[in-house]
Amino acid sequence: EIVMTQSPATLSVSPGERATLSCRASQSVSSNLAWYQQKPGQAPRLLIYGASTRATGIPARFSGSGSGTEFTLTISSLQSEDFAVYYCQQYNNWPPSFGQGTKVEIK
Amino acid sequence: QVQLVQSGAEVKKPGASVKVSCKASGYTFTSYDINWVRQATGQGLEWMGWMNPNSGNTGYAQKFQGRVTMTRNTSISTAYMELSSLRSEDTAVYYCARGDASSWYGYWGQGTLVTVSS
Repeated sequence: EIVMTQSPATLSVSPGERATLSCRASQSVSSNLAWYQQKPGQAPRLLIYGASTRATGIPARFSGSGSGTEFTLTISSLQSEDFAVYYCQQYNNWPPSFGQGTKVEIK
Repeated sequence: QVQLVQSGAEVKKPGASVKVSCKASGYTFTSYDINWVRQATGQGLEWMGWMNPNSGNTGYAQKFQGRVTMTRNTSISTAYMELSSLRSEDTAVYYCARGDASSWYGYWGQGTLVTVSS
C-alpha cells in the first residue's frame, strides 16, 4: 500500500497570504493524485485531480503541481472560507490512499 | 444535480452489524463506482472499499476484508455498506463517494455517524 505523507500538519497563515501544502508518496503515483478540502461537519470537497486539474467550480487561487512522489497544493491568496483541512489522495495504485491531512488555520 | 443522500445516524452495541445506505440521484447510478470512506472523530480519511453498481463487483481494503459487504439495489439507485462485528474503534462518520473515472471522488454523501458503544 502506498503511504501518503502530508506536511506540515498545521499551517498558520494570514488572510491574503499564500499557502503551500506538500504531499509525498512512498512510491511514484505518476500524476494520479487528488486534493480535497474539508470543513468541520462537512464532507470532503474535491479541489484538484490529475495533480493539477481544478474540479468544476473551484476558484483559480487553488493550484496543484507535481508528479511522481512530490506534490504541492498552493492557495495563492487565502480567503476566510479557505481555512480548513486539506487531504491528498493517490489513485494510481490499489488500494487508494489518503494523506493524514494539513490543517490551514488563521494566523 | 448529482446528490448522494445517506441514511441517518446509528448507535450499535459491540458485536452488532450496521448497514448504511446511500441513495444516488441526478445521474445514471450504474455508470459510476461507489466508494466508502470513513473518518473517526478528529482523524483523517480511511478508504474502505469500492463497488461497481452495474456489475456488483466489489473490492475491499484488506483491513475490512471479512467484515464489510457492499451491495446495491439498482431499481432504487441505492448503494449499501454493511459492517459486522462492530467494535468501539469503528465509531466514525461513514461517507459514500462517487468515483469519477474510477479514480477521484467528485461527489460525496453527507456522512452517517455510526457510534459503537455498550
